[in-house]
Amino acid sequence: DSGVTQTPKHLITATGQRVTLRCSPRSGDLSVYWYQQSLDQGLQFLIQYYNGEERAKGNILERFSAQQFPDLHSELNLSSLELGDSALYFCASSSGTEAYEQYFGPGTRLTVT
Amino acid sequence: GQQVMQIPQYQHVQEGEDFTTYCNSSTTLSNIQWYKQRPGGHPVFLIQLVKSGEVKKQKRLTFQFGEAKKNSSLHITATQTTDVGTYFCLVVANTGNQFYFGTGTSLTVIP
Repeated sequence: DSGVTQTPKHLITATGQRVTLRCSPRSGDLSVYWYQQSLDQGLQFLIQYYNGEERAKGNILERFSAQQFPDLHSELNLSSLELGDSALYFCASSSGTEAYEQYFGPGTRLTVT
Repeated sequence: GQQVMQIPQYQHVQEGEDFTTYCNSSTTLSNIQWYKQRPGGHPVFLIQLVKSGEVKKQKRLTFQFGEAKKNSSLHITATQTTDVGTYFCLVVANTGNQFYFGTGTSLTVIP
């Protein structure tokens, strides 16, 4: 158990819909990262927050947004969903910024039908 | 943009044989991390390398960072069935806070 929790575990929704994925980092970790894992794209970095502020942005679509709240939990919002958004979404946390080991949550499996 | 290639993509070995995966970057890296993902699981941190030419060992695992800080390798001696999974490198580009996972090497160990 990494100490990172993600909800929900599975999500099935239709194209065009909007969903919110939730992540609670390990106790004491200030950084939260979001990654997308799909068969054709592998593991892709989406975005990082550090202590409530956006720290780095990767391959995140404009239809996606995220935020980190004062209690350090984070949410990833995916809107206007397309079939290609079906993937496993991982959240990870670390104590610092770029040079720290990341602890991954169990992931949220999103299926868009 | 940053490209991180891992080879091989797949590796099947007999239990007891050695295994090596290589991670190659198109640019100089500030550091590199290695993760293992078991089937159906999430990535788990193994090690971080920071210095040029650095070598670190964890029991049967040996990690190396290239002199030019553009490549790295993970070597497993005498594989066991518990080594099954996909091994990923994660790099942080020198150009900023960008994280790139390698394409991964899937290891199958045949008992």
